[in-house]
Amino acid sequence: KAGVTQTPRYLIKTRGQQVTLSCSPISGHRSVSWYQQTPGQGLQFLFEYFSETQRNKGNFPGRFSGRQFSNSRSEMNVSTLELGDSALYLCASSFSGSRNTDTQYFGPGTRLTVL
Amino acid sequence: AQKITQTQPGMFVQEKEAVTLDCTYDTSDQSYGLFWYKQPSSGEMIFLIYQGSYDEQNATEGRYSLNFQKARKSANLVISASQLGDSAMYFCAMRGVSGTYKYIFGTGTRLKVLA
Repeated sequence: KAGVTQTPRYLIKTRGQQVTLSCSPISGHRSVSWYQQTPGQGLQFLFEYFSETQRNKGNFPGRFSGRQFSNSRSEMNVSTLELGDSALYLCASSFSGSRNTDTQYFGPGTRLTVL
Repeated sequence: AQKITQTQPGMFVQEKEAVTLDCTYDTSDQSYGLFWYKQPSSGEMIFLIYQGSYDEQNATEGRYSLNFQKARKSANLVISASQLGDSAMYFCAMRGVSGTYKYIFGTGTRLKVLA
């Protein structure tokens, strides 16, 4: 079974631009979560999607948005990029996300650099 | 509120020795899951081991075992016979009913295995 895939793996953007990151979950998984990881703030939860609906949301500004498609693939968009958005963005999928036993499996991440 | 605490920012261990990474948690949920992940320098988060709150036996997966002490709310990861490839960041995580099954992560412990 293929793991979680994320594209692109590396991205360089300039301030003010927008960016879209893509995540394909493990086949059969319907829950997709996004995290931002920086050296200063650690691992921070962005949002979770399940069946094309946002089910959970972290404390990030509205510049960060996401969506999920009917095939469970998810995209994350960041508009008006700021220097502080430079980070590793991790996507994780789980079967349903509604059981304590559901294990999240992570993708390799997208490393975003904002210049 | 749910919380995960990892008090060891960094640890060293000699190759072939065992090491324990500490994790304590706080939750009012009766049912929850505890997880450990490994993050090598490449960035990908690798699932290691899971322990359910109702599991009476400690979980084991190869060289990894989870020392679960429910009354003390601790879920320490034990790595036996450390290998150089074990050098990485290790994150403890919890998922419960509160927060609509959102994952809560600790701040991580950086483990360095010495030859």
